Amino acid sequence: EAGVAQSPRYKIIEKRQSVAFWCNPISGHATLYWYQQILGQGPKLLIQFQNNGVVDDSQLPKDRFSAERLKGVDSTLKIQPAKLEDSAVYLCASSLDPSARSYTFGSGTRLTVV
Amino acid sequence: GQQVMQIPQYQHVQEGEDFTTYCNSSTTLSNIQWYKQRPGGHPVFLIQLVKSGEVKKQKRLTFQFGEAKKNSSLHITATQTTDVGTYFCAGWSGAGSYQLTFGKGTKLSVIP
Repeated sequence: EAGVAQSPRYKIIEKRQSVAFWCNPISGHATLYWYQQILGQGPKLLIQFQNNGVVDDSQLPKDRFSAERLKGVDSTLKIQPAKLEDSAVYLCASSLDPSARSYTFGSGTRLTVV
Repeated sequence: GQQVMQIPQYQHVQEGEDFTTYCNSSTTLSNIQWYKQRPGGHPVFLIQLVKSGEVKKQKRLTFQFGEAKKNSSLHITATQTTDVGTYFCAGWSGAGSYQLTFGKGTKLSVIP
């Protein structure tokens, strides 16, 4: 089966600019997650979708981050405006449902804010 | 909130030596998962442990879940250069919450 697709693979922007990341989960996976992985740390959940509804966005910095999954398939994560501390790898993961035994991660988008 | 801690942060071993990483949670977990992330790669699921005291093996890898379901370990016997990467544990507290909380990982280097 095809994996979780993410784009772009790399992105370099200046602080205060905006950026968007795209994720296409595995077909049939109802649950989609966005994680932020800062260098040297473990992934941190930003937001979890079940179909097109938000299940958990408690750790999403809502003043600058937003995410949507309008049709319950693809998802986009946006940062506006970006700060230096947003430099990280943004990982998208999907699972069949919230109680699924494992998540499948995409290759991630490496964001550098200069 | 739930915290998952891993030690050591780094481990350098000679090829052929054993390696162990430990994971501790501040709360009781309904299950724990282990992931491996190769340099420049993304986390890849290895295994999930659910039962108290559970032990699972995958070739040279042995995973354990503590009796109190608050700690876990991953042991690699006779490391190989292909084992290089960062190993993460991730805990799921359950009780209606499906948020997976990752530890900071243990970065394994294998010296040939």
